[in-house]
Parts: sequence; C-alpha cells; structure tokens
Amino acid sequence: DIQMTQSPSSLSASVGDRVTITCQASQDISNYLNWYQQKPGKAPKLLIYDASNLETGVPSRFSGSGSGTDFTFTISSLQPEDIATYYCQQYDNLPPITFGGGTKVEIK
Amino acid sequence: QVQLQESGPGLVKPSGTLSLTCAVSGGSISSSNWWSWVRQPPGKGLEWIGEIYHSGSTNYNPSLKSRVTISVDKSKNQFSLKLSSVTAADTAVYYCARGIQLWLSRYFDYWGQGTLVTVSS
Repeated sequence: DIQMTQSPSSLSASVGDRVTITCQASQDISNYLNWYQQKPGKAPKLLIYDASNLETGVPSRFSGSGSGTDFTFTISSLQPEDIATYYCQQYDNLPPITFGGGTKVEIK
Repeated sequence: QVQLQESGPGLVKPSGTLSLTCAVSGGSISSSNWWSWVRQPPGKGLEWIGEIYHSGSTNYNPSLKSRVTISVDKSKNQFSLKLSSVTAADTAVYYCARGIQLWLSRYFDYWGQGTLVTVSS
C-alpha cells in the first residue's frame, strides 16, 4: 500500500496568514493526489484534484502543487471559515485508495 | 444535484454483520462512476473501504477484503456495504461517496452525510 504522511498534524494561525500543509507519498504517485476539507460533523469536501486543479466553486485562496512524492497544499490568506481538518488522498495503483492522517487548522 | 444518503442500523453486536445502504438521487448509479464506502473512527482519519462500478466490478481495501462485500442494485439506484465479523474497531462514521474517473483523474465529488455505526453488545 502507498502510505501518505501529512504534516503538521495540527497548526494554529492568524486570520490572513499563509498556511502550508505537506503530504509525502511512500512512492512516486505522479500527480494522482487530491485534497479535501472536512469541517466538524460534516463529510469531506473536494478542494483540489490531480495535485493542482481547483475544484469548481472553491475559492482561489486554496491551491496545491507537487508531483512524484512531495505535495503542498496552501491557503494564501486564512479565513475564519477555513477552520477544518484537511486530508490528502492518493489514487495511484489502487486498491487501496489511501488518505493522509489529516491536518487540523485552527485560528490563533 | 447528486445526493447520497446512507441508511442502516446504528448499533451492531460484536461478531455480527454491519449492513448499510446508500441511496443515490439526482443521478443514475449506472453512470460512468465508481461508488465508494469510506469510514472514519471517532476522532480519527479517513479509511477507504472499497468501491463498485455499476457493472458489478469491485475494488476492496486489502486490509478489509476478507470481510467486505459491496453490491449494487440498479433498479433501486443504490449500493450497499456488508462488513462481517465486526469488532469495536469497526465503530465509525460510514460515508458513501461518488468517485469520478475522468481519463487518469480520480476523485470523490459527492458524499453522503455519514452514519455512525457503533459495535457494542
């Protein structure tokens, strides 16, 4: 199985800050990586697909980059409504599809 | 707008079988998509259980494969999950999700609201 290591597991930042989350795959997954946002008590929501493509309707302050084994997810200017847990997910050589451990983002 | 709704018992006894159904509305389960189950233990991360195509083709997480069966009922526009020999470790919120496959892209674009299943005697 391909393991996805996400870091940090949690972070605290101020409104307006730039927030960066990283996800490392245990082997080369090309750009077969997605990012999801999950708010408490809710289902995950797709934000970024294929490492860098913004899902329709998602604010442009969210972005993703990377390929191979190292990926980055960025919120350019943190907003109060961005408080959530963020997950990366790979889909190369499935099964299985695997998720990172999640990054909980809080407001300082 | 596609909607997915999970249903099934919220409490299952240890060693029993967990059975859930996901009803799909606003779209056909026979469309060119994969239909998945994902679970999340309380306070923990997401785990993909498996998926099914309308043809009946399935993929399962190897860690659960011996206990999982996913099936599709095209006449009812729904798909189902059965997980046998459950233990407390199977206590989780279970989500159903639509998996898009476009050329080499794959992602979950619609999710159910999730249903909590507790394994306890």
